[in-house]
Amino acid sequence: QKEVEQNSGPLSVPEGAIASLNCTYSDRGSQSFFWYRQYSGKSPELIMFIYSNGDKEDGRFTAQLNKASQYVSLLIRDSQPSDSATYLCAVRVNTGTASKLTFGTGTRLQVTL
Amino acid sequence: GAVVSQHPSRVICKSGTSVKIECRSLDFQATTMFWYRQFPKQSLMLMATSNEGSKATYEQGVEKDKFLINHASLTLSTLTVTSAHPEDSSFYICSASQRNQPQHFGDGTRLSIL
Repeated sequence: QKEVEQNSGPLSVPEGAIASLNCTYSDRGSQSFFWYRQYSGKSPELIMFIYSNGDKEDGRFTAQLNKASQYVSLLIRDSQPSDSATYLCAVRVNTGTASKLTFGTGTRLQVTL
Repeated sequence: GAVVSQHPSRVICKSGTSVKIECRSLDFQATTMFWYRQFPKQSLMLMATSNEGSKATYEQGVEKDKFLINHASLTLSTLTVTSAHPEDSSFYICSASQRNQPQHFGDGTRLSIL
């Protein structure tokens, strides 16, 4: 079983729709959860992070965390063609100092006109 | 804020050459820096974790004598690929974080060994 699992996609949504990206993780000790966006040929860019159960909103983005189900998701409202990218879910187990991230393989999102 | 600069962005060199990549945190002190490698259409693979002033911790399967990491200050870490060969061609990306803050990534270095 992979430590962090994501559907590779592509997930295709029309412009203006809501894109829902999902991620599950296996380590119950995970405490911090991150979503990164990576355009083709570029490095990852931090979109959202969430530490507590529930929802966290930032502009068009909402991260949702359910630790009991070991599930984290990212919703993108009013999807735009510029949102087309690979979205990486990352999980961290905090050990007192900056701890390493475990990444999923990413979900490729395509926003169509 | 949280800007990480990585240089060079692209390197093309002959087999057997050693290549140094620099990673700098520009507006914060990075207590920890991380080095990743990414092959086409694959996810990020962590190579090593580097804390300022101490030896890097390498992931299993990563040769520490081939990938030399130096983290001499709170704003600079370097990765040297020694005696590079074509199989070392990849996209190398650094990230930096301050204590338990999120990691921020540099723009990456595309390394091509002929």
